[in-house]
Amino acid sequence: DTAVSQTPKYLVTQMGNDKSIKCEQNLGHDTMYWYKQDSKKFLKIMFSYNNKELIINETVPNRFSPKSPDKAHLNLHINSLELGDSAVYFCASSQDFGTGIRSQHFGDGTRLSIL
Amino acid sequence: AQTVTQSQPEMSVQEAETVTLSCTYDTSESDYYLFWYKQPPSRQMILVIRQEAYKQQNATENRFSVNFQKAAKSFSLKISDSQLGDAAMYFCAYRNPSGNTPLVFGKGTRLSVIA
Repeated sequence: DTAVSQTPKYLVTQMGNDKSIKCEQNLGHDTMYWYKQDSKKFLKIMFSYNNKELIINETVPNRFSPKSPDKAHLNLHINSLELGDSAVYFCASSQDFGTGIRSQHFGDGTRLSIL
Repeated sequence: AQTVTQSQPEMSVQEAETVTLSCTYDTSESDYYLFWYKQPPSRQMILVIRQEAYKQQNATENRFSVNFQKAAKSFSLKISDSQLGDAAMYFCAYRNPSGNTPLVFGKGTRLSVIA
């Protein structure tokens, strides 16, 4: 039973193309996130959504557009891909209201390579 | 803004020995959450251990334990009886207690386990 699943796991494409990464969680969590891990392994938040509503947008270029059709899904669409977009993108989710420590659960990541 | 610092880019340990990974953080909050995540070569992000700042008692999960020093803003991870499968990147992360807040990660420590 995969808790947070991302597709595809690998994405190789040409500069200038448009691509999407999909994320789904079956944990019933109310908040979902996209993180970017660069070539030096540094992880940084890009976006977060709570119940389909955008909460955080961390100065990400507007070529990146997240979309949340429902609270179990958060997709990431990237237009006009650039070499610097090559990275691993992680989706995560957490239950942010109510009691409990609110750990984030991560998907397995999508490695995006721009040729 | 909160920051997390991991001062050891790389560490190594002999199999069956104990190793401690360091983490310090900066925050003006009195309540928050701290985490250690493990990222093996498979690139999954695996939650190792977590700590709530208002709890004085150090968290323990099997061979993994933390030394949480709130006044010093220090959160080190101790791995006892190290195993080959412990070899990975380890990330320390901070999170505010309020809803929808993302994780703030350190730059990671690469742990090698020597047989």
